[in-house]
Amino acid sequence: AQKVTQAQTEISVVEKEDVTLDCVYETRDTTYYLFWYKQPPSGELVFLIRRNSFDEQNEISGRYSWNFQKSTSSFNFTITASQVVDSAVYFCALRLNTDKLIFGTGTRLQVFP
Amino acid sequence: SQTIHQWPATLVQPVGSPLSLECTVEGTSNPNLYWYRQAAGRGLQLLFYSVGIGQISSEVPQNLSASRPQDRQFILSSKKLLLSDSGFYLCAWTLHDWREKLFFGSGTQLSVL
Repeated sequence: AQKVTQAQTEISVVEKEDVTLDCVYETRDTTYYLFWYKQPPSGELVFLIRRNSFDEQNEISGRYSWNFQKSTSSFNFTITASQVVDSAVYFCALRLNTDKLIFGTGTRLQVFP
Repeated sequence: SQTIHQWPATLVQPVGSPLSLECTVEGTSNPNLYWYRQAAGRGLQLLFYSVGIGQISSEVPQNLSASRPQDRQFILSSKKLLLSDSGFYLCAWTLHDWREKLFFGSGTQLSVL
């Protein structure tokens, strides 16, 4: 069965701290895509990144970075020097060669000034 | 460019009343369409998806139904709402390419009282 686990329900940090959001996935497929979405208080999900199963290169985009490790089935997301605007719910998701996107339960990040 | 519209933004309905939420996509043709529900403090649950007009796949048996009367229109309905139908409903679309990301609407907050 396919599954995405985000074990951290809620994380609180103070501004400028680094924070890592964990994502572990389960699938027997060898070809798949992984995603991260951000849900700010407004509610709309905002796409952050997509990574295919054959590309294990880590990616950095500004203060955001992603660490994909197939050996541990993890796709973790790190925010460096967090800011109050980073406060949101973050979702990790898995898409196999089907029409469905499977989401984790999300991690609520609160960044305090 | 493509846009997705979802309305209403908020809705308060009594138990036993009917429901109709509408979602339309502009700027693309023959998209895959999705309805997700997010219960308070919980993750995203896929309710229905559609790969074409009149084609509806149901993920969770429940009090809701979906219809796709036109290529870019997706409707979520209920004949009689239950308290447990309360939640945040999100519509999404993607291209007919399993590698593609989903684009989400702004959501509808439904409160059943």
